[in-house]
Amino acid sequence: KAGVTQTPRYLIKTRGQQVTLSCSPISGHRSVSWYQQTPGQGLQFLFEYFSETQRNKGNFPGRFSGRQFSNSRSEMNVSTLELGDSALYLCASSLGPSSMNTEAFFGQGTRLTVV
Amino acid sequence: EDQVTQSPEALRLQEGESSSLNCSYTVSGLRGLFWYRQDPGKGPEFLFTLYSAGEEKEKERLKATLTKKESFLHITAPKPEDSATYLCAVYTGANSKLTFGKGITLSVRP
Repeated sequence: KAGVTQTPRYLIKTRGQQVTLSCSPISGHRSVSWYQQTPGQGLQFLFEYFSETQRNKGNFPGRFSGRQFSNSRSEMNVSTLELGDSALYLCASSLGPSSMNTEAFFGQGTRLTVV
Repeated sequence: EDQVTQSPEALRLQEGESSSLNCSYTVSGLRGLFWYRQDPGKGPEFLFTLYSAGEEKEKERLKATLTKKESFLHITAPKPEDSATYLCAVYTGANSKLTFGKGITLSVRP
């Protein structure tokens, strides 16, 4: 059974650019959550999608957005990149929405570096 | 706001030296507490879910326990391959999201 797949694994962008990250959840999983991980702040919740609907959003500016497709794949977009956006972006998939308290499985992450 | 504090930040053990990692939490309405292991450059790997005080779960050299205010991850006779960062997260229905602690970096020397 394939795990959570995130692409690309590594990305280098310039300040002011925008970036799109992709996440393919485990087959049969319908919930996808996104997290930002930095050494100083640890893992911070960005948003959760279930059945193409955003169910919850963390405390991040509007430059961070996402969406989920009918096949449960999800994309995350960051516009007008800032140096502080450099981080490991992690996607987690689960069978049901987090309100069902199901276990979340993480991908390898996308390492974004903004220069 | 939900808060999760893990201690110590880093722990160095000799192979075979058992110890415990602590995760204390302040939340309203805990619905689940999760332990993950993360190796450098990789995503967190799920270890355990605990739902109610008094619950315990074991997997190889690891045992997780839960009280009303904290959880412990006990490591018995650790090996160098147990070296990793251990993350604790809580889920409360009110926020509908996982709130993570900052992790404990465990280093086991041969």
